[in-house]
Amino acid sequence: GQNIDQPTEMTATEGAIVQINCTYQTSGFNGLFWYQQHAGEAPTFLSYNVLDGLEEKGRFSSFLSRSKGYSYLLLKELQMKDSASYLCAVVDSNYQLIWGAGTKLIIKP
Amino acid sequence: ETGVTQTPRHLVMGMTNKKSLKCEQHLGHNAMYWYKQSAKKPLELMFVYSLEERVENNSVPSRFSPECPNSSHLFLHLHTLQPEDSALYLCASSQDRGHSNQPQHFGDGTRLSIL
Repeated sequence: GQNIDQPTEMTATEGAIVQINCTYQTSGFNGLFWYQQHAGEAPTFLSYNVLDGLEEKGRFSSFLSRSKGYSYLLLKELQMKDSASYLCAVVDSNYQLIWGAGTKLIIKP
Repeated sequence: ETGVTQTPRHLVMGMTNKKSLKCEQHLGHNAMYWYKQSAKKPLELMFVYSLEERVENNSVPSRFSPECPNSSHLFLHLHTLQPEDSALYLCASSQDRGHSNQPQHFGDGTRLSIL
């Protein structure tokens, strides 16, 4: 079967750095997405990785290792508005998105 | 503003009611999707439309009936729902289906409660 694993919940402090991990076992791989979802709102696109390595976009970076079936989302200089759920999703060999259950990130002052 | 609008935002209905959820995208996309989101569970893909043709139906009960009259609009007709159908229903669109690097754009969802 296909599986995406993420921690259910994480807590971090304002101004700090947090890393949210995602491991996957899927039938094929055609890329990995990270989305942010604030409570009661739409998931919004953060990043897409298809090659190994780190992609940086402002305070957010996403890393991929295809050989390890592993990705992480790194958030720097945390702000209160970063409190949200972060969803990891893998594109499988049929170009279908396989979703993780999401990681709820709580930012404390 | 994601370019995808869903109405209503909240819906409470009895098990014998009939209602419809509406989704409209203003992005010129060719593919549209319905998802079910339950607490602490992965998004469940329900239906996919590409160029107004249904291309996927992931074993969804017949009490959910989709309709795509044109590439900008998508409906989900609900009839005789069960309490376990209470969830957030999300609509999404993407430029095309089957292109791995195209992100999906989501609406804010309809929070559905079945009494």
